[in-house]
Amino acid sequence: GAGVSQTPSNKVTEKGKYVELRCDPISGHTALYWYRQSLGQGPEFLIYFQGTGAADDSGLPNDRFFAVRPEGSVSTLKIQRTERGDSAVYLCASSLIPASQDTQYFGPGTRLTVL
Amino acid sequence: DQQVKQNSPSLSVQEGRISILNCDYTNSMFDYFLWYKKYPAEGPTFLISISSIKDKNEDGRFTVFLNKSAKHLSLHIVPSQPGDSAVYFCAASRNQGGKLIFGQGTELSVKP
Repeated sequence: GAGVSQTPSNKVTEKGKYVELRCDPISGHTALYWYRQSLGQGPEFLIYFQGTGAADDSGLPNDRFFAVRPEGSVSTLKIQRTERGDSAVYLCASSLIPASQDTQYFGPGTRLTVL
Repeated sequence: DQQVKQNSPSLSVQEGRISILNCDYTNSMFDYFLWYKKYPAEGPTFLISISSIKDKNEDGRFTVFLNKSAKHLSLHIVPSQPGDSAVYFCAASRNQGGKLIFGQGTELSVKP
């Protein structure tokens, strides 16, 4: 079956602009996660959803970052007033249930470049 | 505060030999540990995991060892194959809904 998909694969924007990154999880997965990976680092947790609600948003770096999952499936990560430091690969993952022992399946990521 | 650390950024091994990737953690509340493998331009792929109640888990050529007293885990790949060349991340969780804390990664190169 289809895996986790993310669009766009690449996004180049200018400092100060607004961007939206989309994630389509595996059908039926109730948990959805967003991570950010900077060059030379491992993925860094941002937020996860259980159904439609954000169960843990402790990793969002500041209030310029916001994510939604209105129907419990597709999720959008929104970044306002982008800064050069936001440049990274944004990874989305989903799992059947939000438990540490349930495998998270990752999408290919969106590479965001802020000029 | 880096709670999960992989101190070797790279490792080169001859085909057929053993690859040993290491990972250290600082938070004694972690109760589940995982290894992910990542190829360029792809997302990480789950490889193998271990619960804190065990000290070893094996799956084919891959074995993960956990030493809780030392807060250390390792991944052994035997025998190593060129297709194993990738970046390997260890990750840990506190059973907080599956939030994973990743190390920085180790790039493994298996030479034919």
